[in-house]
Amino acid sequence: SQQGEEDPQALSIQEGENATMNCSYKTSINNLQWYRQNSGRGLVHLILIRSNEREKHSGRLRVTLDTSKKSSSLLITASRAADTASYFCATLGSNYQLIWGAGTKLIIKP
Amino acid sequence: SQTIHQWPATLVQPVGSPLSLECTVEGTSNPNLYWYRQAAGRGLQLLFYSVGIGQISSEVPQNLSASRPQDRQFILSSKKLLLSDSGFYLCAWRGAGGYTFGSGTRLTVV
Repeated sequence: SQQGEEDPQALSIQEGENATMNCSYKTSINNLQWYRQNSGRGLVHLILIRSNEREKHSGRLRVTLDTSKKSSSLLITASRAADTASYFCATLGSNYQLIWGAGTKLIIKP
Repeated sequence: SQTIHQWPATLVQPVGSPLSLECTVEGTSNPNLYWYRQAAGRGLQLLFYSVGIGQISSEVPQNLSASRPQDRQFILSSKKLLLSDSGFYLCAWRGAGGYTFGSGTRLTVV
């Protein structure tokens, strides 16, 4: 079942601009993960933020987590054409399966 | 290093035909394995997960079944495909560093 909801569903920006995607979830979590999926391909793990963390950086990625609002955001700075993909947030359910949102489709225009 | 193999990459099958998708993991033992399905334009849905040989848990009742005949082999099957079985199927395993996904199988039922 899906409990995460990404916002927006689709985002189109110019290369070089920053892209921000949001994710909301419903239950308590141990961690929240962000993944990228290039069209019709497998998923790539981007970053994991634990419930006791508020912000985490990895290269051009910045993830924030607000457990009081049950929400997370993924910021991609200085976007590139290669960042065009769908981005998913996922939380950890029982038996360690991931519970996914519907994803944000990001298009970077050259 | 751990790797995950999933095949075939694409598959076109007629309605009513059987299905067998295979996933194998290398470089680890007794992994937790997962089958996900992604319908067009939507997020991922957990279908099955397995914590060991012969142990299968089904998340969503449907026309599919899964088996784990060996420690590092996970198979998704159907006796008779339906049109609604079309989608993108992903195998994944959970390691200490998070989840790793296979490259996926795009199944089109015609």
